[in-house]
Amino acid sequence: AQTVTQSQPEMSVQEAETVTLSCTYDTSESNYYLFWYKQPPSRQMILVIRQEAYKQQNATENRFSVNFQKAAKSFSLKISDSQLGDTAMYFCASSSGTYKYIFGTGTRLKVLA
Amino acid sequence: DTAVSQTPKYLVTQMGNDKSIKCEQNLGHDTMYWYKQDSKKFLKIMFSYNNKELIINETVPNRFSPKSPDKAHLNLHINSLELGDSAVYFCASSQESTGATGNTIYFGEGSWLTVV
Repeated sequence: AQTVTQSQPEMSVQEAETVTLSCTYDTSESNYYLFWYKQPPSRQMILVIRQEAYKQQNATENRFSVNFQKAAKSFSLKISDSQLGDTAMYFCASSSGTYKYIFGTGTRLKVLA
Repeated sequence: DTAVSQTPKYLVTQMGNDKSIKCEQNLGHDTMYWYKQDSKKFLKIMFSYNNKELIINETVPNRFSPKSPDKAHLNLHINSLELGDSAVYFCASSQESTGATGNTIYFGEGSWLTVV
């Protein structure tokens, strides 16, 4: 079975600081993909970053980067220089060969001015 | 220019009614989905269609019936609405095919259904 676990329901960070959101996953597939999605108060789900499991290099996207530890099945998201607009729910997700994207329970991030 | 659009955005209806949510994607994707997000923000897959064929049905009550007239559209019809159906329903799409999964999934803005 494919599972995604986010153990931090809520986090807060001061503006301009760095914050790391945790995610662990489990899958029996050898070929899979991992994602972080952001859901601001507008409800729109927005892709933040994507990682291919067979790539050892951690994905980065401007201020967003991941720490992908394949053996530990860990996929954390680091947000550098946090901005007020980063306030949102963040969902970790995995995808394997079954046309199915599984999402974690989300972490509510609040950036404080 | 909206990639995945769904209507209506908000829907308030009484228990027992039947309602539909429509979804269209203009990305040329082969696969479309319906997800349900409850009040605790849990995002759970309901259905997945690939080229108009049902691929995934995640033990959703029979009152929920998806219909895909073509690969660009996936509508969700709900019969005999119950209070517990109140949620945000997200339509999504991705370019998937056998052996080539993992492409980015694109979401619509969500349809907020309230059953009273």
